[in-house]
Amino acid sequence: NAGVTQTPKFRILKIGQSMTLQCTQDMNHNYMYWYRQDPGMGLKLIYYSVGAGITDKGEVPNGYNVSRSTTEDFPLRLELAAPSQTSVYFCASSYSTGSGGSYNEQFFGPGTRLTVL
Amino acid sequence: GENVEQHPSTLSVQEGDSAVIKCTYSDSASNYFPWYKQELGKRPQLIIDIRSNVGEKKDQRIAVTLNKTAKHFSLHITETQPEDSAVYFCAAKVDSSYKLIFGSGTRLLVRP
Repeated sequence: NAGVTQTPKFRILKIGQSMTLQCTQDMNHNYMYWYRQDPGMGLKLIYYSVGAGITDKGEVPNGYNVSRSTTEDFPLRLELAAPSQTSVYFCASSYSTGSGGSYNEQFFGPGTRLTVL
Repeated sequence: GENVEQHPSTLSVQEGDSAVIKCTYSDSASNYFPWYKQELGKRPQLIIDIRSNVGEKKDQRIAVTLNKTAKHFSLHITETQPEDSAVYFCAAKVDSSYKLIFGSGTRLLVRP
């Protein structure tokens, strides 16, 4: 298994440009997450999904959009990039039998380092 | 909503000494508590986790303790080695939620 993969690894955007960060997992996990991590800081949840076709906002969703058309893929879309979106973006996935059920480890992808100039 | 506080923010120990990192959570319905290690420039990786029906769990030099009454849990690393130097994050999950709530992280430096 490749686990959680992310592309690209690095990207430089100009202010106002748009891009999509790709995330794929091959573990048949139902839950997927997007986090951002600013330099020297912790993880902030942007969006998450509990299954194909279901997404919900985390604590910092402004300026981002997501979709989940398949179990494997969870792309993150940045519209009108701003310098405040300069960060490292991590995708993660986990498996759970549902609310109140057994929750298991979140596996993280290698991250995408994004700079907006 | 759930809130997780983590202390200390930085910790420096001599190689061979023990290190303890503490976290407190606010929601008594939390039932899953993982600890992640993040080396510089790398992704966070799970090192140990504990569920609310267990008070302590060990894995070689690493242990986690949970006090549900006080709503706090701790990471204990014994016989620290330079390769233990990293940022450690605690997290908690409320039973009815789909999300992990992360602490702010502890930067551990093990001096050779």
